[in-house]
Amino acid sequence: QQQVKQSPQSLIVQKGGIPIINCAYENTAFDYFPWYQQFPGKGPALLIAIRPDVSEKKEGRFTISFNKSAKQFSLHIMDSQPGDSATYFCAAGGTSYGKLTFGQGTILTVHP
Amino acid sequence: DAGVIQSPRHEVTEMGQEVTLRCKPISGHNSLFWYRQTMMRGLELLIYFNNNVPIDDSGMPEDRFSAKMPNASFSTLKIQPSEPRDSAVYFCASSPQGTRNTIYFGEGSWLTVV
Repeated sequence: QQQVKQSPQSLIVQKGGIPIINCAYENTAFDYFPWYQQFPGKGPALLIAIRPDVSEKKEGRFTISFNKSAKQFSLHIMDSQPGDSATYFCAAGGTSYGKLTFGQGTILTVHP
Repeated sequence: DAGVIQSPRHEVTEMGQEVTLRCKPISGHNSLFWYRQTMMRGLELLIYFNNNVPIDDSGMPEDRFSAKMPNASFSTLKIQPSEPRDSAVYFCASSPQGTRNTIYFGEGSWLTVV
């Protein structure tokens, strides 16, 4: 029940495309859903996060869509750039001391 | 702020040796996490501390792994004896109280056990 399932494992798009990464969770106690971005040789860094009281959140070219009834959320990257090439992790957390459960990650490659 | 500082960044050791990984969290953060990242298992939470007290160590793989946080600015993760399957990137992360779940990661310690 603690799992977060992420898909796809890898994704290749052309510059300007709109990659979409999906995540699903089981635990209805989760109330915080962040996305992290990780570049090679670096630690994951918080990209954008959403709470279940809204269905969408946008920050720059990054948008999270959230479907509470389906227990799913997704990351959309508008006008993707080669610099967006990285591994993306979704995560889910509850109110307990900031513990996060991470998805398996999606390796995104944006070709010029 | 310097961010979460981990050392060593890279370590290669022989099977059976003791490995100690170190972490300095961001000043003022009261939660500290140790994660392990591998291709097969992704990011796994090993243990986390709140106000220097271990809260959940259910992710620690076995008795060979131990973690301590003697004060608010330092934590260690120890593997004794190390095995080749422990090869992974180990991340330390910290979180400030009140921002609920906003976790800041260090750059990781890359461990290879041969």
